[in-house]
Amino acid sequence: SQQGEEDPQALSIQEGENATMNCSYKTSINNLQWYRQNSGRGLVHLILIRSNEREKHSGRLRVTLDTSKKSSSLLITASRAADTASYFCATDAGGGADGLTFGKGTHLIIQP
Amino acid sequence: SQTIHQWPATLVQPVGSPLSLECTVEGTSNPNLYWYRQAAGRGLQLLFYSVGIGQISSEVPQNLSASRPQDRQFILSSKKLLLSDSGFYLCAWNTGFTYEQYFGPGTRLTVT
Repeated sequence: SQQGEEDPQALSIQEGENATMNCSYKTSINNLQWYRQNSGRGLVHLILIRSNEREKHSGRLRVTLDTSKKSSSLLITASRAADTASYFCATDAGGGADGLTFGKGTHLIIQP
Repeated sequence: SQTIHQWPATLVQPVGSPLSLECTVEGTSNPNLYWYRQAAGRGLQLLFYSVGIGQISSEVPQNLSASRPQDRQFILSSKKLLLSDSGFYLCAWNTGFTYEQYFGPGTRLTVT
């Protein structure tokens, strides 16, 4: 079963604006990750935040995690046309080699 | 550097026919390997994972099976495909020391 639910399902903004996507999950986690998927391609890892962290930055990406609300957000600042993709959150329960549990994704469209 | 390959890229098969999808990883040893399926417009569902040769864990009961005959080779199979097996199949790996996963380009399977 899928752990996460991304919100919104689809988002269309103008180039240069900021894009915010949210993810909610149901059970306790060890880490939460965000991945990007360009149409018809494999997923690319963007950023990982541990359950004891509240915020993390990587370039134009900012991720927050609120374990009390079981939610996370991904902010992409100064969006570019190349950011057009689907974005997924994924969680693990700390089982080492266990696979990830993915949400359904947010489809982001950056209008030039 | 590490690379992950999947083939074929696209496959159209009739209902009831067998299936064999292959995934290989280069540039690393003893990786954890994963098979995911992505239905249209959905997130990824973990199907199988493997921590070593001959070691397969199944996440969901289904019409599929997996094997790991070599350290860096992971195969997804079916004896008789169903219409519901259509989807985008993604292979992924990680080192076992990190939680980030690295995905292959995927195989688009259409069962007709």
